[in-house]
Amino acid sequence: EPEVTQTPSHQVTQMGQEVILRCVPISNHLYFYWYRQILGQKVEFLVSFYNNEISEKSEIFDDQFSVERPDGSNFTLKIRSTKLEDSAMYFCASSETTGNNSPLHFGNGTRLTVT
Amino acid sequence: AQSVAQPEDQVNVAEGNPLTVKCTYSVSGNPYLFWYVQYPNRGLQFLLKYITGDNLVKGSYGFEAEFNKSQTSFHLKKPSALVSDSALYFCAVRDSGAGSYQLTFGKGTKLSVIP
Repeated sequence: EPEVTQTPSHQVTQMGQEVILRCVPISNHLYFYWYRQILGQKVEFLVSFYNNEISEKSEIFDDQFSVERPDGSNFTLKIRSTKLEDSAMYFCASSETTGNNSPLHFGNGTRLTVT
Repeated sequence: AQSVAQPEDQVNVAEGNPLTVKCTYSVSGNPYLFWYVQYPNRGLQFLLKYITGDNLVKGSYGFEAEFNKSQTSFHLKKPSALVSDSALYFCAVRDSGAGSYQLTFGKGTKLSVIP
């Protein structure tokens, strides 16, 4: 079964550094998402992306965050200047459509630790 | 605003016994409801969904869930638990009337099936 793949599985960075989290969505999917899960807390929506532009974003997704689909397969999340509170598990997801019959398929996540 | 509550942080059940993981929701329009499961060091895996129609929906691995509009609930059930069902379970909702496609997740319920 096709999977969403994320790299790296674990990223450690110093406060103020830039990080790029990478995702390869399922190949025939058109909609892409980033969610995050701070340890012990809820899974939170960050952003959705379609047709090379952001379709929706949450209040968490401020100017420090950006997303990009640099080629036909990768979907990246960049955090420009990391803060301690950015430490979380970041999940990429994709779906065939945004229709309600199309569930999200999630990757295994990247654990980001900001020191 | 849409929200989800999973009132139990942990559910323990003996192998072979029926299990229930509770979920209640709040939306302004009609709810689209989902259950996801997360195994250690893995992403969120789709189990089942309710969009419309029959209130009892069946999903992967023998799980089912019952939509109850009057109680605004969508409890996950399985007639006979397996040790391999031990994992973290997340309920999620999308509000059909919100003009948004983002999923709102509950905080998760840890299910432990005791041999």
